[in-house]
Amino acid sequence: AQSVAQPEDQVNVAEGNPLTVKCTYSVSGNPYLFWYVQYPNRGLQFLLKYITGDNLVKGSYGFEAEFNKSQTSFHLKKPSALVSDSALYFCAVRDANAGNMLTFGGGTRLMVKP
Amino acid sequence: GAVVSQHPSWVICKSGTSVKIECRSLDFQATTMFWYRQFPKQSLMLMATSNEGSKATYEQGVEKDKFLINHASLTLSTLTVTSAHPEDSSFYICSAREGSDTPEAFFGQGTRLTVV
Repeated sequence: AQSVAQPEDQVNVAEGNPLTVKCTYSVSGNPYLFWYVQYPNRGLQFLLKYITGDNLVKGSYGFEAEFNKSQTSFHLKKPSALVSDSALYFCAVRDANAGNMLTFGGGTRLMVKP
Repeated sequence: GAVVSQHPSWVICKSGTSVKIECRSLDFQATTMFWYRQFPKQSLMLMATSNEGSKATYEQGVEKDKFLINHASLTLSTLTVTSAHPEDSSFYICSAREGSDTPEAFFGQGTRLTVV
């Protein structure tokens, strides 16, 4: 079975400060890892993915995430937060060796205050 | 990036009627499409996986006779909520993958269904 944990329901950060949204995962095989962002009453927008290669992956809107195999983590980061980054963020994992299923974490609401 | 279009964005229907939601991949062929349901302030719950030309695979606890899924072409999948009831009110989101070797899925904008 595969699972994703996002330990924080909400993260608050001041505009201009760095932000981190945490994610840990569990899969039997090699992980495909993803971050998505959701704005109110909208679907999910793809931010970035880790498939293989460099542990630090860069994505849309200045976001990046670091794959840490030993800690089974894939935390989302941004050096300088914007108010417009306020949204709901989902981490997701798929087992590269076992089918189609994408498992989502519970989501973390990011609030960036001016 | 790949675009997935979902229609309608929101719909209100009377209890007992059926509602059809369409999911289209606009610039790629989607061999696999997924339907999710999202309750307020909660994560996405996978309802079913559909492959073009074959029957959908439903997750445990999802009534296949209530939530009819058709994936008749490589660019279109539909979800029909039959005999809708107020408890079916939710946000429904589809996603699509281009091929079995493509790791990421792209999501539609979602459909807010309200059954009155």
